[in-house]
Amino acid sequence: NAGVTQTPKFRILKIGQSMTLQCAQDMNHNYMYWYRQDPGMGLKLIYYSVGAGITDKGEVPNGYNVSRSTTEDFPLRLELAAPSQTSVYFCASRTSGGTEAFFGQGTRLTVV
Amino acid sequence: AQTVTQSQPEMSVQEAETVTLSCTYDTSENNYYLFWYKQPPSRQMILVIRQEAYKQQNATENRFSVNFQKAAKSFSLKISDSQLGDTAMYFCAFMNAQGAQKLVFGQGTRLTINP
Repeated sequence: NAGVTQTPKFRILKIGQSMTLQCAQDMNHNYMYWYRQDPGMGLKLIYYSVGAGITDKGEVPNGYNVSRSTTEDFPLRLELAAPSQTSVYFCASRTSGGTEAFFGQGTRLTVV
Repeated sequence: AQTVTQSQPEMSVQEAETVTLSCTYDTSENNYYLFWYKQPPSRQMILVIRQEAYKQQNATENRFSVNFQKAAKSFSLKISDSQLGDTAMYFCAFMNAQGAQKLVFGQGTRLTINP
């Protein structure tokens, strides 16, 4: 099992550009989460999903969009990138019957 | 909305000492889970220990134990016989047992174990 895979690992964007951060899990987990982690800070929830076709906002959803068309994939879309979106982004997943969240390795995004 | 607060941004102890990291949370729910996650310099998030709110007994995992005070909404992590490999960011986290099971994190405590 690969677990939770995030791509890319690093990316530099120019202000106003758009991109999609990919997240895939092969554990058949219902729940998936997107977090951002600013330097020296904790993880803030952007969006989460309880299953295919169902998504909801977290603490800091502005500037982001998500979709969940399959159980495996939960991409995060950044439209019109801004310097404030410079951060490390983590995707996580867990089964609906469990409590442990499994995290990807993160994507370091810099907006210049 | 649930909130998690870690009031110690940084801590530093000598190897083999015992250290306690603090965490408080706010919720109106009665049934929930609490966690401590470790994030070493590799950036990987690793579950250290979990506590179920309906269990009065404090969770223990080898050198890691918690002091769960439900009435006070306090959830501290004790690391005994600290090792150099314990150097990391530690995050306290909360999740409801029912409903929208969002996993909410505190700000983190940077722990350094000195040789």
